[in-house]
Amino acid sequence: LAKTTQPISMDSYEGQEVNITCSHNNIATNDYITWYQQFPSQGPRFIIQGYKTKVTNEVASLFIPADRKSSTLSLPRVSLSDTAVYYCLVGPFYGGATNKLIFGTGTLLAVQP
Amino acid sequence: NAGVTQTPKFQVLKTGQSMTLQCAQDMNHEYMSWYRQDPGMGLRLIHYSVGAGITDQGEVPNGYNVSRSTTEDFPLRLLSAAPSQTSVYFCASSYGSGGLQETQYFGPGTRLLVL
Repeated sequence: LAKTTQPISMDSYEGQEVNITCSHNNIATNDYITWYQQFPSQGPRFIIQGYKTKVTNEVASLFIPADRKSSTLSLPRVSLSDTAVYYCLVGPFYGGATNKLIFGTGTLLAVQP
Repeated sequence: NAGVTQTPKFQVLKTGQSMTLQCAQDMNHEYMSWYRQDPGMGLRLIHYSVGAGITDQGEVPNGYNVSRSTTEDFPLRLLSAAPSQTSVYFCASSYGSGGLQETQYFGPGTRLLVL
């Protein structure tokens, strides 16, 4: 599975757009990129997943450049409730029993008023 | 749907004691897994199961046992608790094989303190 690198922490203010970048230089051709969000004292929650270019849902957008060696999770107009740890995961889409999700240390996003 | 439930929410053990962390899901998911989360370490996979009667080891399986007799339940057993097992434990489930194509649904966690 591809190794990922994320910033340990980020600070933002309410109403700002936040972009969290994940580096995955050795991403494989059949690897997908998935982001999870974890609030304090809760289990992680799926946010978004993509393979290339741009994916958008009601919560976030995911930008993936052509070389796919990095990806950026974009959170529009954050609020205090977006304060959480964000994890970037990279791996094959159809992994079967041997594809185990690997969560790194994630990025702690702190949103201030 | 209750989703993924875990009991207890919090537990204190003495070194050498045994206990079972319970995990249940009502979504008819085949894949279930256990993670532990330590400060600054992210989540690490302990054991997982791809269906009733089938389990396998994850990244940090030592000191833990699991079994999967039903689709709904996936208990985690600590046979002889050690202070190094102080952690927050999360159970997760997904519909398919647990790969990235499957959204993982996590329980609320069990906070374990071993003295």
